[in-house]
Amino acid sequence: KNQVEQSPQSLIILEGKNCTLQCNYTVSPFSNLRWYKQDTGRGPVSLTIMTFSENTKSNGRYTATLDADTKQSSLHITASQLSDSASYICVVRENNAGNMLTFGGGTRLMVKP
Amino acid sequence: GAGVSQSPSNKVTEKGKDVELRCDPISGHTALYWYRQSLGQGLEFLIYFQGNSAPDKSGLPSDRFSAERTGGSVSTLTIQRTQQEDSAVYLCASSLDGTSGVREQYFGPGTRLTVT
Repeated sequence: KNQVEQSPQSLIILEGKNCTLQCNYTVSPFSNLRWYKQDTGRGPVSLTIMTFSENTKSNGRYTATLDADTKQSSLHITASQLSDSASYICVVRENNAGNMLTFGGGTRLMVKP
Repeated sequence: GAGVSQSPSNKVTEKGKDVELRCDPISGHTALYWYRQSLGQGLEFLIYFQGNSAPDKSGLPSDRFSAERTGGSVSTLTIQRTQQEDSAVYLCASSLDGTSGVREQYFGPGTRLTVT
């Protein structure tokens, strides 16, 4: 069964600090991996999409990495802000699934002043 | 520009009643998805519409769940004879098309369904 596991489940950091969220997946064959940010009570918003050939992709203070060999991805947040408090969801798409995505359980990040 | 909209934002219903949830995708988007997010759980795929093709219903948890997409735009998710385990946030997403795996999905704000 295809799975996407995220760690940690929750994280508390001080404003201005950096943090790294992890995503391990067993989805195969792999098409692409996405990181979403979901604010409380809102729908997920895409941060990055990475295909097999991409190792690193940045979006402002967010940097995602992908190691397709070890099936691991990370999301690094630099100089955290209070507005970064949200759930971060890793989503992986199969290469031949057509439509179905496999979602991780998310990491709930809280940034404190 | 207008994003994906969903209505109602909150719905409380009694066990056994039917409910309809509505999704208005971004104009021009041919692909539309429904997901469910239960408390403390990850997102769960329910159903996918691509243009005029037959929908992919493989994620629907039971025959109490059905969805329609009229005119290739607005979609309605119907849950018949609701059960307490149906309580969740139902999210709709759309993308320009679903045939390219890299196409971005844009999510609506969700409908929070509570079955009492």
